[in-house]
Amino acid sequence: DQQVKQNSPSLSVQEGRISILNCDYTNSMFDYFLWYKKYPAEGPTFLISISSIKDKNEDGRFTVFLNKSAKHLSLHIVPSQPGDSAVYFCAASAAFPQGGKLIFGQGTELSVKP
Amino acid sequence: NAGVMQNPRHLVRRRGQEARLRCSPMKGHSHVYWYRQLPEEGLKFMVYLQKENIIDESGMPKERFSAEFPKEGPSILRIQQVVRGDSAAYFCASSHWPAYEQYFGPGTRLTVT
Repeated sequence: DQQVKQNSPSLSVQEGRISILNCDYTNSMFDYFLWYKKYPAEGPTFLISISSIKDKNEDGRFTVFLNKSAKHLSLHIVPSQPGDSAVYFCAASAAFPQGGKLIFGQGTELSVKP
Repeated sequence: NAGVMQNPRHLVRRRGQEARLRCSPMKGHSHVYWYRQLPEEGLKFMVYLQKENIIDESGMPKERFSAEFPKEGPSILRIQQVVRGDSAAYFCASSHWPAYEQYFGPGTRLTVT
């Protein structure tokens, strides 16, 4: 049962434009959501997170939006840069019954063309 | 401040051998998590440990896999009698407390021949 889904395996955008990566979840107990960026042969790097009590969190070029009613979150990168090319994973966690475990989506490979 | 360290980075084992993967958390972090990434898949949670305690092992295969985080030293993920299906990247993460921002190490790539 895939509780966190990223339905687009890949995304290609032009440098300077907006990149929008999407993520859907099924478990209404999730109360915290995160985005990680991963380069080949490296570990995931934490990018940005959002609590379920918020609908938006912004950090520089990165903004995460959460729509709880639709069980959907998205990551916006503006403006996109070639160095943003990587695999992006969304992840979710629930405080109950026990915090700590992150459930990851399958990832979306972003390619930013110069 | 050193990040999460994992060693070895690459490990090759023949079928039936044992694999030991080590993880040193970030300084000041006492919570360690292990994840596995199979080829073409996302990361899957395996186990969550605090010093000398296993908190959640719901993602660990029932046989051949074990994990520990002793009072002194790194966390160890041990795989006995490895099989080809164990070939994967194993990532360790740590956090300051059971917070949700987990910081990942570079991973250990296990190849079973």
